[in-house]
Amino acid sequence: KQEVTQIPAALSVPEGENLVLNCSFTDSAIYNLQWFRQDPGKGLTSLLLIQSSQREQTSGRLNASLDKSSGRSTLYIAASQPGDSATYLCAVDSNYQLIWGAGTKLIIKP
Amino acid sequence: NAGVTQTPKFRVLKTGQSMTLLCAQDMNHEYMYWYRQDPGMGLRLIHYSVGEGTTAKGEVPDGYNVSRLKKQNFLLGLESAAPSQTSVYFCASIGQRDNSPLHFGNGTRLTVT
Repeated sequence: KQEVTQIPAALSVPEGENLVLNCSFTDSAIYNLQWFRQDPGKGLTSLLLIQSSQREQTSGRLNASLDKSSGRSTLYIAASQPGDSATYLCAVDSNYQLIWGAGTKLIIKP
Repeated sequence: NAGVTQTPKFRVLKTGQSMTLLCAQDMNHEYMYWYRQDPGMGLRLIHYSVGEGTTAKGEVPDGYNVSRLKKQNFLLGLESAAPSQTSVYFCASIGQRDNSPLHFGNGTRLTVT
């Protein structure tokens, strides 16, 4: 059974720092891995999607990597801003279903 | 440019009452999903649909039923609400399973007393 874990559960850093969020999964047979952002009281917004054949994807200040053999993905946020404060969730597409991590709550201090 | 719309946004039910949550998407998507989100936990899949007229059970289907009579709508029903069903419910959709991201609604916050 696929399980997805995100560490840490919460992270607080000063504005301007580069940071890394972690996501691990137990079964390497995945179709893709996705990173989402969730703001309080809102739905989820897709940030990056990495296909199983890819190693990384980039969008602006965000870079996501995927290492299927070790069951790990990282989301790198460069030059963090207060507007980046949100909960970040990763999910793996496994057998037509997305299996989700519990998320990392990120606070960027001005 | 509505995307995925969920109604209602909030609801309070008493134990034993029934209700239906509506999800509507205007993107002609094939796949639709119902999730619940509880504090400290990831999203858990309740039911999903791979096309009009189809439904399938997800990870936590007990106490819920769904219908997909029209391609654009995916209904989630609670026949006899229980306090354990207090949660935030999200609907999501995707066109094809072709590495396109999920589109989410803004959620329905349900409280069962």
